Amino acid sequence: GIQVEQSPPDLILQEGANSTLRCNFSDSVNNLQWFHQNPWGQLINLFYIPSGTKQNGRLSATTVATERYSLLYISSSQTTDSGVYFCAVGSGSEKLVFGKGTKLTVNP
Amino acid sequence: GAVVSQHPSRVICKSGTSVKIECRSLDFQATTMFWYRQFPKQSLMLMATSNEGSKATYEQGVEKDKFLINHASLTLSTLTVTSAHPEDSSFYICSARDQRLAWEQYFGPGTRLTVT
Repeated sequence: GIQVEQSPPDLILQEGANSTLRCNFSDSVNNLQWFHQNPWGQLINLFYIPSGTKQNGRLSATTVATERYSLLYISSSQTTDSGVYFCAVGSGSEKLVFGKGTKLTVNP
Repeated sequence: GAVVSQHPSRVICKSGTSVKIECRSLDFQATTMFWYRQFPKQSLMLMATSNEGSKATYEQGVEKDKFLINHASLTLSTLTVTSAHPEDSSFYICSARDQRLAWEQYFGPGTRLTVT
């Protein structure tokens, strides 16, 4: 099955800093989603982005499908951005395979 | 739009009893729903795919007689953990897909199950 690798596993930032999270995948995809899991466990949909670039406020994402990677950019980070960010991909089916996540800590 | 709810949010049960978790799509119809399991500090693992009006498809290693899934309507899927044991304690999360919106899945808030 498809493999999903996220990096870095852990990231610590000062408030106001920018960051880039990476997701590599091993096969072509028909679905790629980025999520933020808050401290209560809720997965918040950030982007549905099997290809191309999208922006939503301080967050943006780019997926280069031909090179099998996606990037999530967080600018001017805030303490409320802390949590775990997951990349999940689907390849040829409805199923999503999750990466292991990046744990982000933003300090005031 | 695209809201998914789960009930209960937390449940504590005794070993040997059964627990039912409900997953509802509130503002769209979901012919397909998915059930995931997440252990502490780990990622989500797909347990099964639930299809309205037909049997669920279980992932390898998931006991279908232990984790009963029913998708009785286009807005409701249920997961029943039968004869629960402490090792079944986990965070269970459902998701649903609105087929009008391509492949994107929307996730419920999760249910934390503790078996004593």
